[in-house]
Amino acid sequence: AQTVTQSQPEMSVQEAETVTLSCTYDTSESDYYLFWYKQPPSRQMILVIRQEAYKQQNATENRFSVNFQKAAKSFSLKISDSQLGDAAMYFCAYRAYGGSQGNLIFGKGTKLSVKP
Amino acid sequence: GAGVSQSPRYKVAKRGQDVALRCDPISGHVSLFWYQQALGQGPEFLTYFQNEAQLDKSGLPSDRFFAERPEGSVSTLKIQRTQQEDSAVYLCASSLFGGIETQYFGPGTRLLVL
Repeated sequence: AQTVTQSQPEMSVQEAETVTLSCTYDTSESDYYLFWYKQPPSRQMILVIRQEAYKQQNATENRFSVNFQKAAKSFSLKISDSQLGDAAMYFCAYRAYGGSQGNLIFGKGTKLSVKP
Repeated sequence: GAGVSQSPRYKVAKRGQDVALRCDPISGHVSLFWYQQALGQGPEFLTYFQNEAQLDKSGLPSDRFFAERPEGSVSTLKIQRTQQEDSAVYLCASSLFGGIETQYFGPGTRLLVL
């Protein structure tokens, strides 16, 4: 069974600085998708960034980028120029490739605090 | 609104009561997912619909949990004879199809069983 591990329960960053959130996963599949979701205190999960495992190039979305290391099964999220609005729970998630369902497997999350 | 909506947002139930949680997905979205999020944990998959067909219910924790989507749009998650361990936030998500399509989440229903 696939698992997702986030080893940092809490992280803190100074406003305008850069922070990296860690995620590792375990799977025997060669093709899959990886996601980072943000969950602010209002509880609505928002997709931050996604990565297809067959793509070697790391995904980027404005201030958010990932470091995808397929061999190491590592998928970290880098937030540059941190803003107060980035404070939230961040969840790493895995989804198998193919098939008809597509449910996400989540890690336990990292709570990010941003200090002014 | 264009997003996924859920109702009620909060529900307090006495142990043994039945509850029904509603999800309105984004119009036209084929796939609908239910997740359960315990306090301090990541969401865990409960069940999946493609249109009105329930294709996977492997995550439902017991036969007290039942979900339906009779017309392929609105979905209801029903919990019978609620127990304290059912207390959690129940999240609904929808996507246009399956696969890589982004899952859009609703705000969740926070269920507290006393």
